[in-house]
Amino acid sequence: GQQVMQIPQYQHVQEGEDFTTYCNSSTTLSNIQWYKQRPGGHPVFLIQLVKSGEVKKQKRLTFQFGEAKKNSSLHITATQTTDVGTYFCAGPNRGSARQLTFGSGTQLTVLP
Amino acid sequence: DTGVSQNPRHKITKRGQNVTFRCDPISEHNRLYWYRQTLGQGPEFLTYFQNEAQLEKSRLLSDRFSAERPKGSFSTLEIQRTEQGDSAMYLCASSFAGHQETQYFGPGTRLLVL
Repeated sequence: GQQVMQIPQYQHVQEGEDFTTYCNSSTTLSNIQWYKQRPGGHPVFLIQLVKSGEVKKQKRLTFQFGEAKKNSSLHITATQTTDVGTYFCAGPNRGSARQLTFGSGTQLTVLP
Repeated sequence: DTGVSQNPRHKITKRGQNVTFRCDPISEHNRLYWYRQTLGQGPEFLTYFQNEAQLEKSRLLSDRFSAERPKGSFSTLEIQRTEQGDSAMYLCASSFAGHQETQYFGPGTRLLVL
């Protein structure tokens, strides 16, 4: 079945440092979505990328979708304590666009 | 608050008991999803409805699990004869069918089976 992997599993950074998480799918994706889950919270949609090589920015967050549409990255510039949480990528299941397959997430800790 | 709501937020039960969770989606959303999330993992898809029709079910959904959305609005997820392995966070999400639709998640129901 389709697998979505994320690295690293954990990342600790000093406030102000940059952070990147990587997502790799075993199959080509029609789109990739990113979610953030705060400790004790629920996943919150951040963005969706659809086109090969697409890059989108949201303030300090930069999202990329690979040329082969099998990988993606999320980069945060100058982290803040409010960035703490787990970042998940998710892609539609090849057999069904309604089923999202989530990666295992990257848990970000920002030290003040 | 017009977000997705779920009840109860926490449930502790003994092995073998039945439990039922409720999800109220965002009112204009016609799609509703159930996911399960265990510690340190991403959400796993269980099933989804378009209006009142249950269109897809994951292989993860054993015959002890049943979901309904009788009037195309709220949904219930029932687990019969609970097992300790059912302990998890059960998340509901809703969306409005369309191009590049976004799934909005509820706060979840945390189930602990003793």
